[in-house]
Amino acid sequence: DGGITQSPKYLFRKEGQNVTLSCEQNLNHDAMYWYRQDPGQGLRLIYYSQIVNDFQKGDIAEGYSVSREKKESFPLTVTSAQKNPTAFYLCASSTGPPGELFFGEGSRLTVL
Amino acid sequence: AQKITQTQPGMFVQEKEAVTLDCTYDTSDQSYGLFWYKQPSSGEMIFLIYQGSYDEQNATEGRYSLNFQKARKSANLVISASQLGDSAMYFCAMIPDTGGFKTIFGAGTRLFVKA
Repeated sequence: DGGITQSPKYLFRKEGQNVTLSCEQNLNHDAMYWYRQDPGQGLRLIYYSQIVNDFQKGDIAEGYSVSREKKESFPLTVTSAQKNPTAFYLCASSTGPPGELFFGEGSRLTVL
Repeated sequence: AQKITQTQPGMFVQEKEAVTLDCTYDTSDQSYGLFWYKQPSSGEMIFLIYQGSYDEQNATEGRYSLNFQKARKSANLVISASQLGDSAMYFCAMIPDTGGFKTIFGAGTRLFVKA
């Protein structure tokens, strides 16, 4: 079945460490996204990529980095510069605007 | 500013009854798209329904319909014949420019369906 796979589902990190969240899709979608969700809040866009080897900052990109070397993969690195990284991270893809987003099951990051 | 507002943090509905989840939006764009997503406790977001700003008819998808009132800038979700499995968070979202990639989400409404 086609879909989006995020890993790990749960991740614990010590302060000062970088961590990379994986996102893989087999939907053949050009566009991929990373969102952050905090308790009681909606989703906020971190980064998005319209096509391979290209990506743009979203609304809250500071402290995060991404790469898009393959169409299927869009990993997110949460760096030590991110001041409040504990959150639920959702990866998504779409065929392009204004199409709906297809989401993975999310990765919950906790900084100890 | 482009924004989505969902004023109901939580809603209760009796099983088999209909429920309306409110959503208002703010944009100066003429062309935009409106979405509703469902988030069960598992965390995955599921697309429910889409309405384009130029669509004259309200969108429907099975038990879901979108009550689109353009002049009032509202895009309420109506769920008919509620089921226990409808208990979840519901998010209204907008792409301000239908050629853009930045979907904006509201804070969500948690729906509880009572047996």
